[in-house]
Amino acid sequence: SQQGEEDPQALSIQEGENATMNCSYKTSINNLQWYRQNSGRGLVHLILIRSNEREKHSGRLRVTLDTSKKSSSLLITASRAADTASYFCACDRGSTLGRLYFGRGTQLTVWP
Amino acid sequence: EADIYQTPRYLVIGTGKKITLECSQTMGHDKMYWYQQDPGMELHLIHYSYGVNSTEKGDLSSESTVSRIRTEHFPLTLESARPSHTSQYLCASSDAQGATEAFFGQGTRLTVV
Repeated sequence: SQQGEEDPQALSIQEGENATMNCSYKTSINNLQWYRQNSGRGLVHLILIRSNEREKHSGRLRVTLDTSKKSSSLLITASRAADTASYFCACDRGSTLGRLYFGRGTQLTVWP
Repeated sequence: EADIYQTPRYLVIGTGKKITLECSQTMGHDKMYWYQQDPGMELHLIHYSYGVNSTEKGDLSSESTVSRIRTEHFPLTLESARPSHTSQYLCASSDAQGATEAFFGQGTRLTVV
């Protein structure tokens, strides 16, 4: 499969704790993106990291990329109940179409 | 907030009926996509378009068809709905150039009874 694979499949934490989700992929990429999906809704783009970048921050989000291990991680610091959602990594292989390959996602539940 | 809209949000329909799922975007994006997603599963690309009059099938075989007569509109049609078509359908678009961030609609939850 050329899709990203997230780990763990489900994560349950308390408010204030940090949440870390991992993504592994099999082919070379142009960039890797993380998306969030609230239950029964569309996906919302969170952050994009290019293949020549190693770390990127956006607010409470921190993304790392290790192209030698073909893996990425998403860290959400000081989580809130409102962060409860599914998180997907998506690989862009640099095709003309610009298509993305999605994994199955990590279901994050943050308890108040 | 992304300017891409899907209607209807929910649709329950009987077997054999013809349905059209609407998708419109106001961002002037050339590339548009339809994904199918079952609960707790990954997104599967079923159709895509590079621009007007361009449509291609994706990775997952689908009995649906699409059209792209206008840049902003990318409807998906099922000529004869079956229970196996029950799923969530997500429409997305992206800019032809630059970063390939995709903008998604809210999705259509289709149930065929």
